[in-house]
Amino acid sequence: SAVISQKPSRDICQRGTSLTIQCQVDSQVTMMFWYRQQPGQSLTLIATANQGSEATYESGFVIDKFPISRPNLTFSTLTVSNMSPEDSSIYLCSVPLGQGEYFGPGTRLTVT
Amino acid sequence: GQQLNQSPQSMFIQEGEDVSMNCTSSSIFNTWLWYKQDPGEGPVLLIALYKAGELTSNGRLTAQFGITRKDSFLNISASIPSDVGIYFCAGQGGSGYALNFGKGTSLLVTP
Repeated sequence: SAVISQKPSRDICQRGTSLTIQCQVDSQVTMMFWYRQQPGQSLTLIATANQGSEATYESGFVIDKFPISRPNLTFSTLTVSNMSPEDSSIYLCSVPLGQGEYFGPGTRLTVT
Repeated sequence: GQQLNQSPQSMFIQEGEDVSMNCTSSSIFNTWLWYKQDPGEGPVLLIALYKAGELTSNGRLTAQFGITRKDSFLNISASIPSDVGIYFCAGQGGSGYALNFGKGTSLLVTP
């Protein structure tokens, strides 16, 4: 398994602002994933972040709204831009490693 | 993503009882994963399955990869209060790495 940390663990933000979420892994990984989990719902993949190339976004998610950085093999950031209350969710990063995919603890975002 | 049907949506059982939940898909998957999520935490991987028909155990948990590759089940034997949480199935198809998640089974265990 891997040790995955996220910052911040939670935040309350105002409508129209942006928040950058950090994900740090204790080992080098080629792929990192960003998911959204809306209240009481399952996980939905936002994008795949590959080091050295642009992130690949899933249907319904765009780079302008969720820009992603992947400066090295152990770190990635997800920015939630121009937030609205509908963006209130838990945002999780994950990495594939060995025989599974492992998740960070999540960032709980509330937009007022 | 592909739609996964996970059932039941919730279960309320007594300590010591066995639990069974399952996931079905309209598409074939190459991998099935089962996760548990506690409140305020990220999902924790419980069991990973890679071959059709595979039956794998992890303590009191047992999971199977269906022969058709379109379904999987998870059993928990002799449930205890700390089994409380939301259990998610996830499947991975052949066209890419993305995981498709079920909607979750909420498990409540009373002492």
